[in-house]
Amino acid sequence: AQSVTQLDSHVSVSEGTPVLLRCNYSSSYSPSLFWYVQHPNKGLQLLLKYTSAATLVKGINGFEAEFKKSETSFHLTKPSAHMSDAAEYFCVVRGYSSASKIIFGSGTRLSIRP
Amino acid sequence: EAGVTQFPSHSVIEKGQTVTLRCDPISGHDNLYWYRRVMGKEIKFLLHFVKESKQDESGMPNNRFLAERTGGTYSTLKVQPAELEDSGVYFCASSQSRIQGEQFFGPGTRLTVL
Repeated sequence: AQSVTQLDSHVSVSEGTPVLLRCNYSSSYSPSLFWYVQHPNKGLQLLLKYTSAATLVKGINGFEAEFKKSETSFHLTKPSAHMSDAAEYFCVVRGYSSASKIIFGSGTRLSIRP
Repeated sequence: EAGVTQFPSHSVIEKGQTVTLRCDPISGHDNLYWYRRVMGKEIKFLLHFVKESKQDESGMPNNRFLAERTGGTYSTLKVQPAELEDSGVYFCASSQSRIQGEQFFGPGTRLTVL
């Protein structure tokens, strides 16, 4: 069975400071992990994905995430927040094959203070 | 290239009425998925089409929900009769490849049942 937990429902940071959105997963086999972002009134957009290659994954808009098997974590980071990063972020786990079910975390809403 | 589109963007109906949601996937994408986010909860998988065939419909909540994908192109999701607990945002996604395929999401349909 697979599951994913996003530890914070809401994160607020100042513009220009680092962003950390936390995600822990549970999977009985090697998972694929994704981060999606949803801006208001827009569809979910893929930020980055981990599929058993490099453990440090770089995505769009300066975001990156590190797969840590020992900690079962896949936290999303960005060195310097921008106002346009304000959105809801979802951590997603899936089995290796896309025929496997995709499981969403509950989402983290990121607010950026000027 | 057009992305995944969904219609309508918002639907307000009364309990007991019927509503049909439509999803147009990216052209050439054989895989089509439906998800739902009920207010305050996680995004949950509903079902998965491969072309016109239902690959996995284990997430469909009950027999009031009927999904079709005529000719393997667009898909419809009908709720009949709608209940209050059906309110939420319904997302559609499509992907090209079954193996590690990225799912591209539409903007969602917000359904409100009064």
